[in-house]
Amino acid sequence: GQQVMQIPQYQHVQEGEDFTTYCNSSTTLSNIQWYKQRPGGHPVFLIQLVKSGEVKKQKRLTFQFGEAKKNSSLHITATQTTDVGTYFCAGRGSARQLTFGSGTQLTVLP
Amino acid sequence: ETGVTQTPRHLVMGMTNKKSLKCEQHLGHNAMYWYKQSAKKPLELMFVYSLEERVENNSVPSRFSPECPNSSHLFLHLHTLQPEDSALYLCASSLTPADTEAFFGQGTRLTVV
Repeated sequence: GQQVMQIPQYQHVQEGEDFTTYCNSSTTLSNIQWYKQRPGGHPVFLIQLVKSGEVKKQKRLTFQFGEAKKNSSLHITATQTTDVGTYFCAGRGSARQLTFGSGTQLTVLP
Repeated sequence: ETGVTQTPRHLVMGMTNKKSLKCEQHLGHNAMYWYKQSAKKPLELMFVYSLEERVENNSVPSRFSPECPNSSHLFLHLHTLQPEDSALYLCASSLTPADTEAFFGQGTRLTVV
């Protein structure tokens, strides 16, 4: 079945440093979504990427979808303490089912 | 507040108990989902309902029994659970089962003793 791998599992950064999490799928995806879950909270949708090579930005967050539509990344520039949480990618394959990665837990040290 | 409400927020139950989790959305969405979130594991999709019809059942043990009486409500009936079933159970909804974002409820933290 479809597998979505996400690395790293944990990341500690100093406030102001950049952060990147990577997502790789075992199969070609029709689209990929990113979610953020704050400690003690629930996943909240951030963005969806559909096109090969697509790049989208939300303020300090940059999302990329690979040319082969099998990988994606989320990059945060100049992290802030409000960025703390776990970031999940979720890929949708041919079976239309959304498969979540294991998430990257981001800690931002003040 | 996402528009998806789950009750109860916390539940402790014995292995011989029967309990139900409730999820409610008034977003006009046609698809609803149950996910299980355990520590250090990816979100696991359990069930998908589209227009009140179950379309996915990912090899979930029969001690978990979903029910979708209408497009706004989703239940997860629990009976004879095991301690390893302790987890955060998340309900989500989306406009359609494919290609749209999921809105998650705040979850029910379940502990089986």
